[in-house]
Amino acid sequence: GAVVSQHPSRVICKSGTSVKIECRSLDFQATTMFWYRQFPKKSLMLMATSNEGSKATYEQGVEKDKFLINHASLTLSTLTVTSAHPEDSSFYICSASSRSWYSNQPQHFGDGTRLSIL
Amino acid sequence: GQQVMQIPQYQHVQEGEDFTTYCNSSTTLSNIQWYKQRPGGHPVFLIQLVKSGEVKKQKRLTFQFGEAKKNSSLHITATQTTDVGTYFCAGPNAGGTSYGKLTFGQGTILTVHP
Repeated sequence: GAVVSQHPSRVICKSGTSVKIECRSLDFQATTMFWYRQFPKKSLMLMATSNEGSKATYEQGVEKDKFLINHASLTLSTLTVTSAHPEDSSFYICSASSRSWYSNQPQHFGDGTRLSIL
Repeated sequence: GQQVMQIPQYQHVQEGEDFTTYCNSSTTLSNIQWYKQRPGGHPVFLIQLVKSGEVKKQKRLTFQFGEAKKNSSLHITATQTTDVGTYFCAGPNAGGTSYGKLTFGQGTILTVHP
């Protein structure tokens, strides 16, 4: 149980392109989804918290207009990297949690998306 | 803000040796979670500790939560090559608007030489 699917797994595109990444909870309802960015051999850096039906909460220093998050249903959240540039190249991982008000629930991670901007 | 520190950053061991990673939080935690990320993979939830002084075992892995609920450790007995990966501890963010957010430690990258 608790499977999270993330798509695509890898994207290579030109600078200026917008890239959409999908995160789906396959066998549970995810009231909260999280988007992380991870650099090689580094920890997970939380970018934003996405709650179904409401606006995402962004961490300090993360540009809202650059990283658009939509959580339209209890099983799907999307992250769109708008007008991507080489410095946006990274490993993006989503995770999902089944309850937003109960902090003890573990997070279940997608496989991640490796984004390379040329 | 809340900080979760983890040491060591890297650990190289020979297969069969033991391994320990330590996690320290700047604040008291309601619980602590441990995750493992294999090379090229995504983090996978291992365990959650809730009670002060709690000790839990999963086969060769032993997890401890400190009495003050500010530190934790993961000990692997007789490492195997399948133990290779990065081990993260994570604590929930404090505050009413945390929405289940976690603060992750920097991770310990474990390499096991056969």
